[in-house]
Amino acid sequence: DVKVTQSSRYLVKRTGEKVFLECVQDMDHENMFWYRQDPGLGLRLIYFSYDVKMKEKGDIPEGYSVSREKKERFSLILESASTNQTSMYLCASSLSGGRARNEQFFGPGTRLTVL
Amino acid sequence: GEDVEQSLFLSVREGDSSVINCTYTDSSSTYLYWYKQEPGAGLQLLTYIFSNMDMKQDQRLTVLLNKKDKHLSLRIADTQTGDSAIYFCAETTGGGADGLTFGKGTHLIIQP
Repeated sequence: DVKVTQSSRYLVKRTGEKVFLECVQDMDHENMFWYRQDPGLGLRLIYFSYDVKMKEKGDIPEGYSVSREKKERFSLILESASTNQTSMYLCASSLSGGRARNEQFFGPGTRLTVL
Repeated sequence: GEDVEQSLFLSVREGDSSVINCTYTDSSSTYLYWYKQEPGAGLQLLTYIFSNMDMKQDQRLTVLLNKKDKHLSLRIADTQTGDSAIYFCAETTGGGADGLTFGKGTHLIIQP
């Protein structure tokens, strides 16, 4: 079974702090994704990566950056956390985009609170 | 751009059938998915259907696809309290890393 793990289930940070959210997948997937989930807004794509050191902006990249130094690991960075970044963050991975059936496998999520 | 629409809430009695509906706009969708999210957890793939099919059944789950109307539904027979979750519809055109478009999710509420 594909396993996607996230470094923390719950995180509390202060405004202005630099925050790192880590995601690791163990199935050699090429693609990795970071979403945030907010009530009534569903999942919104922040960034995604289709290969090591490659990254693409999603729908809401402002205030975030990402790093993918190894194939299995995709990090989301909040350079200076703000209260409006309080949310549930979900990481996902999938096989190469060349496949039609490219369902995404999700981690358990990190609930981040910024005070 | 692509869009996937779902109702935000559905309330059913325990033991009844639940039908969660979804509409999408991209006529070139190849695969359509249903994900389930239990409270405090990530999304779990429940089932999927290829666009050249109109029905898929898997135990208590039945997926119906009307490609002409771009309408997808998920029927859960004999709904149980463990089915209480948020259900997300998603679609893909089968290319590129950013291939899935998600709906906002339907909260399924089970009444005793």
